[in-house]
Amino acid sequence: AQRVTQPEKLLSVFKGAPVELKCNYSYSGSPELFWYVQYSRQRLQLLLRHISRESIKGFTADLNKGETSFHLKKPFAQEEDSAMYYCALDRGSTLGRLYFGRGTQLTVWP
Amino acid sequence: DTGVSQDPRHKITKRGQNVTFRCDPISEHNRLYWYRQTLGQGPEFLTYFQNEAQLEKSRLLSDRFSAERPKGSFSTLEIQRTEQGDSAMYLCASSLQQGKAFFGQGTRLTVV
Repeated sequence: AQRVTQPEKLLSVFKGAPVELKCNYSYSGSPELFWYVQYSRQRLQLLLRHISRESIKGFTADLNKGETSFHLKKPFAQEEDSAMYYCALDRGSTLGRLYFGRGTQLTVWP
Repeated sequence: DTGVSQDPRHKITKRGQNVTFRCDPISEHNRLYWYRQTLGQGPEFLTYFQNEAQLEKSRLLSDRFSAERPKGSFSTLEIQRTEQGDSAMYLCASSLQQGKAFFGQGTRLTVV
């Protein structure tokens, strides 16, 4: 069975500090991993996916298959990064259904 | 707004009543998903359509729940004989390819 774990429900940092949102997964196959973000009063939106290997809004995430992790990192947090972040897994089947973690609420203080 | 739209945004209903939600996906997207989200949890998969075919249903989708996508465009999710445990945010998402799903703003259901 597949499972996505986000151990931190809440995370607070000061503006300019580095931030890391943790995500661990369990799945025996070759999954695709994603980070979705939900800003206040907005819809859930895709932030980045591991196969793209891109940096969005200064965020990066590396898939570590050995540690089964997909942590989201940003070297210098900004106040506008305050949001709810969800890690999600796709088993790689043709169906494309996503398995989400419970989310981490990031607050960046001025 | 050319994104995924859901209607209504909020619904309050009495226990035992039936409710129906609508989702209009992005027009060229052939994949449509329904998820349910309760407080403090991430979205949980309910069902998936490719065009008009319902290809997968979660065990969460009891026999009181039914979803349709009759012409491969908009979709409806109906809950019959609502229970208080059905109170949640119901999210619709659409995509052209795996994983890159675009979500609607959701319908918040409150069963009193």
